[in-house]
Amino acid sequence: DVKVTQSSRYLVKRTGEKVFLECVQDMDHENMFWYRQDPGLGLRLIYFSYDVKMKEKGDIPEGYSVSREKKERFSLILESASTNQTSMYLCASSAAGQVFLNYGYTFGSGTRLTVV
Amino acid sequence: AQRVTQPEKLLSVFKGAPVELKCNYSYSGSPELFWYVQYSRQRLQLLLRHISRESIKGFTADLNKGETSFHLKKPFAQEEDSAMYYCALEEGDMRFGAGTRLTVKP
Repeated sequence: DVKVTQSSRYLVKRTGEKVFLECVQDMDHENMFWYRQDPGLGLRLIYFSYDVKMKEKGDIPEGYSVSREKKERFSLILESASTNQTSMYLCASSAAGQVFLNYGYTFGSGTRLTVV
Repeated sequence: AQRVTQPEKLLSVFKGAPVELKCNYSYSGSPELFWYVQYSRQRLQLLLRHISRESIKGFTADLNKGETSFHLKKPFAQEEDSAMYYCALEEGDMRFGAGTRLTVKP
């Protein structure tokens, strides 16, 4: 009963490549998020979206962009991949309001990206 | 600015011993706080929410506004509790601490 699906578990890309990380949720959630997870740094918010075609910058948006053309899909784009973007990328979704407070975020299983 | 601080990156206890994972937050309003857990090779999942005042898998967490803390506690740790634990603050979006890796030794 996977609810948040990230298209790739592992990716290896070359420096300078344009990289697309895809995330799909089937819970009709309004909110979607992209984090990167690094040892000793925890989860850092890259971008988030509260609605279709909406996007907001998180704490570390530099070098990234996002796209949300449909409610269920939130894509993270690395315009020109660099080695310091090697990381685990986590997508999450949540409902709004009281439902969110009851259930928090639902996370995908992550995409481990290596940029060489 | 660091909104959520987990001062211990690593914590190791023996099975049956009490365990406390520390979390301090910085927020001027009424915080919504959560604990998430990630077991080996599993996705990150919600453990408990301060709003519910519940006990999950024997864990509890009490919000102390005076000390701005939300420490996670369990009186008797089990080996299956070994995991990465993240404290999180909701303020329009969720901000996570750096995490504490708990190891429960047999």
